[in-house]
Amino acid sequence: EVQLVQSGAEVKKPGESLTISCKGSGYSFTSYSISWVRQMPGKGLEWMGRIDPSDSSTDYSPSFQGHVSISTDRSITTAYLHWSSLRASDTAMYYCARLVALANTDYFDFWGLGTLVTVSS
Amino acid sequence: QSALTQPASVSGSPGKSITISCTGTSSDVGRYNLVSWYQQYPGKAPKLMIYEDSKRPSGVSDRFSGSKSGNTASLRISGLQAEDEAEYHCCSYAGSSTWVFGGGTKLTVL
Repeated sequence: EVQLVQSGAEVKKPGESLTISCKGSGYSFTSYSISWVRQMPGKGLEWMGRIDPSDSSTDYSPSFQGHVSISTDRSITTAYLHWSSLRASDTAMYYCARLVALANTDYFDFWGLGTLVTVSS
Repeated sequence: QSALTQPASVSGSPGKSITISCTGTSSDVGRYNLVSWYQQYPGKAPKLMIYEDSKRPSGVSDRFSGSKSGNTASLRISGLQAEDEAEYHCCSYAGSSTWVFGGGTKLTVL
């Protein structure tokens, strides 16, 4: 059974750093990219970026480039989303999703349950 | 890279049909046959409902169908049921290994 298990909720202050995680199981971790998706309170989904665990290559949305970084540890089948300096506007639910990206097809077929990040002074 | 445009809300009566639109540009929706749709209940993770504009994953009811014309994709739900009340999000490949979502549409079953 494919599962993406995300780390627990976080409460941080502006300026602090944070890393949240997404552990994949039940499939070949290096065969699928992992994307991170933000959902601010009461808002829609926003694609942030993705990582290909096979070679750790990354792509980012221009909206998030430079503010977050995505990494992976293949040995423990886990992907990470990292902020070096949080802002109050980073308060949101963050989902990881498995990306099926093949020739002429792509979609997010499995999702984690989300990690709620609250940034407040 | 702007978000795709969806209506904020739609509503319909049980047994009826509704359509949710998703408008992009010739750089995303209009360029690739790679629009997907996701259903999300409050406080839950999204679930894939449609991919490649009109294909249904195994296990998704055939009451859900997708289509596209030009820069606008559509999700049609026929035979509305109370359990269909949720938020629906469209997503398109936007080139250069990037993706873009719509703002989401809240479906109310009257």
